[in-house]
Amino acid sequence: QSVLTQPPSVSGAPGQRVTMSCAGNNSNIGAGYDVHWYQQVPGTAPKLLIYGNNNRPSGVPDRFSGSKSGTSASLAITGLQAEDEADYYCQSYDSRLSAYVFGSGTKVTVL
Amino acid sequence: EVQLVESGGGLVQPGGSLRLSCAASGFTVSSNYMTWVRQAPGKGLEWVSVIYSGGSTYYAESLKGRFTISRDNSKNTLYLQMSSLRAEDTAVYYCARASGGSYSDWYFNLWGRGTLVTVSS
Repeated sequence: QSVLTQPPSVSGAPGQRVTMSCAGNNSNIGAGYDVHWYQQVPGTAPKLLIYGNNNRPSGVPDRFSGSKSGTSASLAITGLQAEDEADYYCQSYDSRLSAYVFGSGTKVTVL
Repeated sequence: EVQLVESGGGLVQPGGSLRLSCAASGFTVSSNYMTWVRQAPGKGLEWVSVIYSGGSTYYAESLKGRFTISRDNSKNTLYLQMSSLRAEDTAVYYCARASGGSYSDWYFNLWGRGTLVTVSS
């Protein structure tokens, strides 16, 4: 069971905006630790998408954005494209576990 | 080119041991924080272990005592020694480079392609 909870799936038509949540608690996100997001196309390695809550690495389109508030975080994709179909994972640090923790993952489907 | 290439995966019997390797190119392993992350078939990502540039090592609580992370500076390679393997250790094992400010804010900005470990009789 993942420490960070994400919805199993979200979907949207091309061009639409979708969002996904990442719910934690006061020993991880709520403790002030940064949240990071990864994109994983099935059969490939994860790729860093957002770091430090809302920063995009070079090469990541500005259609992707992250936010954090309280004990949760969110990832938004605007102008959804077919190539965005993938699994998305949030990640943070948990002080009670002294471990890096990942979310359960959200599968994005482009209708 | 900056990259990580894992090797050493395969089929191992329950109770057996295996050592995974992760060869780095384009940067120095010993100057970075390096981690292992695994993913069981059809499941999510699970952090396994980290080694600091200074040599300190940390593990997921459930794996302490069975897994050992290390590196060979001369070969610029990261290792994961796994022992007393169980069926639930079956997964793709990724090595990754960590980055960020404080250790509690680290993220993984470079990943290898992974190596599959299957524990089965």
